[in-house]
Amino acid sequence: GAVVSQHPSWVICKSGTSVKIECRSLDFQATTMFWYRQFPKQSLMLMATSNEGSKATYEQGVEKDKFLINHASLTLSTLTVTSAHPEDSSFYICSARDLGIHYGYTFGSGTRLTVV
Amino acid sequence: AQKITQTQPGMFVQEKEAVTLDCTYDTSDQSYGLFWYKQPSSGEMIFLIYQGSYDEQNATEGRYSLNFQKARKSANLVISASQLGDSAMYFCAMREGSETSYDKVIFGPGTSLSVIP
Repeated sequence: GAVVSQHPSWVICKSGTSVKIECRSLDFQATTMFWYRQFPKQSLMLMATSNEGSKATYEQGVEKDKFLINHASLTLSTLTVTSAHPEDSSFYICSARDLGIHYGYTFGSGTRLTVV
Repeated sequence: AQKITQTQPGMFVQEKEAVTLDCTYDTSDQSYGLFWYKQPSSGEMIFLIYQGSYDEQNATEGRYSLNFQKARKSANLVISASQLGDSAMYFCAMREGSETSYDKVIFGPGTSLSVIP
């Protein structure tokens, strides 16, 4: 089945630094990927839709300059959390649409970010 | 705007019993899809079952079935013969638009299910 590889699975960074999270579709081409954020004991909140070769579409309230998304190829999308602060500590997870399954949205395994 | 409601923050079920997790949704689209995902403590999202808005029959996948009541905008998940490994968070989710489009998927608040031995 379709696999989305997400790295790193966890990361600890110092406040003020930037962190990059990668999502790769391994056996299918993902024109569109989705980035979610999940705080403890809460639901997944959609942050942005990442489109290959074009600018990402951000949800209302998400700072596009803080959460930089790049989707340079059909198999790779990256989320960079710039100038991270403790309040950015969260679980970030990506999802890609696999048209090989007519209703298929494949998720990465998630990245747990801790900003200290 | 779409909205998904899961009114049960937490549920307990005895092992081997059946349990129903509630989900109601709100959309003005005629074409949409409904999902249920399981999220164990590891964080991975495990796809359980899907129901398209035009599907006439309720979806089933092994021990999972979806009780789809379109007029009531309800898509409850039924888990039969609960197992200890079913203890996890369960999210109802909805996609608006056609099944060949790239529409985003929005999640409900989730229900924490605990299976008691």
